[in-house]
Amino acid sequence: GQNIDQPTEMTATEGAIVQINCTYQTSGFNGLFWYQQHAGEAPTFLSYNVLDGLEEKGRFSSFLSRSKGYSYLLLKELQMKDSASYLCAVVLSGGYQKVTFGTGTKLQVIP
Amino acid sequence: DAGVTQSPTHLIKTRGQQVTLRCSPKSGHDTVSWYQQALGQGPQFIFQYYEEEERQRGNFPDRFSGHQFPNYSSELNVNALLLGDSALYLCASIYDRGLGEQYFGPGTRLTVT
Repeated sequence: GQNIDQPTEMTATEGAIVQINCTYQTSGFNGLFWYQQHAGEAPTFLSYNVLDGLEEKGRFSSFLSRSKGYSYLLLKELQMKDSASYLCAVVLSGGYQKVTFGTGTKLQVIP
Repeated sequence: DAGVTQSPTHLIKTRGQQVTLRCSPKSGHDTVSWYQQALGQGPQFIFQYYEEEERQRGNFPDRFSGHQFPNYSSELNVNALLLGDSALYLCASIYDRGLGEQYFGPGTRLTVT
């Protein structure tokens, strides 16, 4: 079966840096998504990693290690509006046929 | 640039009824996936449509069916509704030969009573 693990909840302070980890054990791997989801809203695309390494996009960076089955999302200069759930999702082999999501990490940013 | 759109926004149905949800993909996208998201959970893959055919399916019963039209829009049909079908239904689109960026629509909140 497919297994994607993320911490359930995290709390961080406004202006700080937070790292949200995701480990996966899946039958095949083509890439990994990170999405942000505010309560009651649809997920918003943040990043898509296919190759090992770090990809930076403004205040958000995403890292992937395929050999370790590990990814993280790094959020810098935290803002109150960053309080949301962050979803890690793996694209299984064979293309875009199946995307398996973790249960998400609920991040609370406090003043 | 038009994003992914879904209709309706909210829907209330009774057990045993049937429902049809609709999705229009982002401009330039040709592939549509449907997901079910229960409260506090990540989205669960239902199926994906490409070139008007179901390309892959998740672990959902045959009560869940779909369709894709020549303009790439898609429908999700659920028959014989159960209370457990209450969830947020999300549509996502990608361009099959693109970089893999998958974008979600705003979702349809289905409540089965």
